[in-house]
Amino acid sequence: QQQVKQSPQSLIVQKGGISIINCAYENTAFDYFPWYQQFPGKGPALLIAIRPDVSEKKEGRFTISFNKSAKQFSLHIMDSQPGDSATYFCAASPSYNFNKFYFGSGTKLNVKP
Amino acid sequence: DTGVSQDPRHKITKRGQNVTFRCDPISEHNRLYWYRQTLGQGPEFLTYFQNEAQLEKSRLLSDRFSAERPKGSFSTLEIQRTEQGDSAMYLCASSLRGQINTEAFFGQGTRLTVV
Repeated sequence: QQQVKQSPQSLIVQKGGISIINCAYENTAFDYFPWYQQFPGKGPALLIAIRPDVSEKKEGRFTISFNKSAKQFSLHIMDSQPGDSATYFCAASPSYNFNKFYFGSGTKLNVKP
Repeated sequence: DTGVSQDPRHKITKRGQNVTFRCDPISEHNRLYWYRQTLGQGPEFLTYFQNEAQLEKSRLLSDRFSAERPKGSFSTLEIQRTEQGDSAMYLCASSLRGQINTEAFFGQGTRLTVV
């Protein structure tokens, strides 16, 4: 049973557009919600992360929106660039071990020039 | 390169053979994690160490899998009697847990193909 559900599976966006990826979870013990970016042949790299005490976090073109009551969070990539083309994973982890991640199934983003 | 290093990057083995992978974490990191990633899926937690102690193992880690982290430095993951279902990318990550807590940094993984 997947503890973090991610959608869409794939996404095509024009350069300069907004990419939006959504995730949902059930376990209320989750306390840390990172997004990872993975390029082919590479390990995942942390992009941005949020804790449930805030509803939004922004770093450059990347924003996480968090809705604790709905148990949902999303990644917005503003002004998407071809270099952003990668697979994105949302994840969640419990407070007792915040690097023990439950990952979503991934979204393959293709930003067209 | 001071990141997480994994060796080998690729391994092809015949079914029934034993394989061993190595992970060298970032030097000051006391936590080390192993994850498995199959094609088109997100990584799944396998096990983790704090220093040399293996503190948690996933039910995904069958009896054919064993992991060690002698002296709290590098770690090895051994798979005995490999099966085709073991074909996956095996990822290692490390982090620092203490007065300063860091994010987890992942290595580039070892891609295992069982034929």
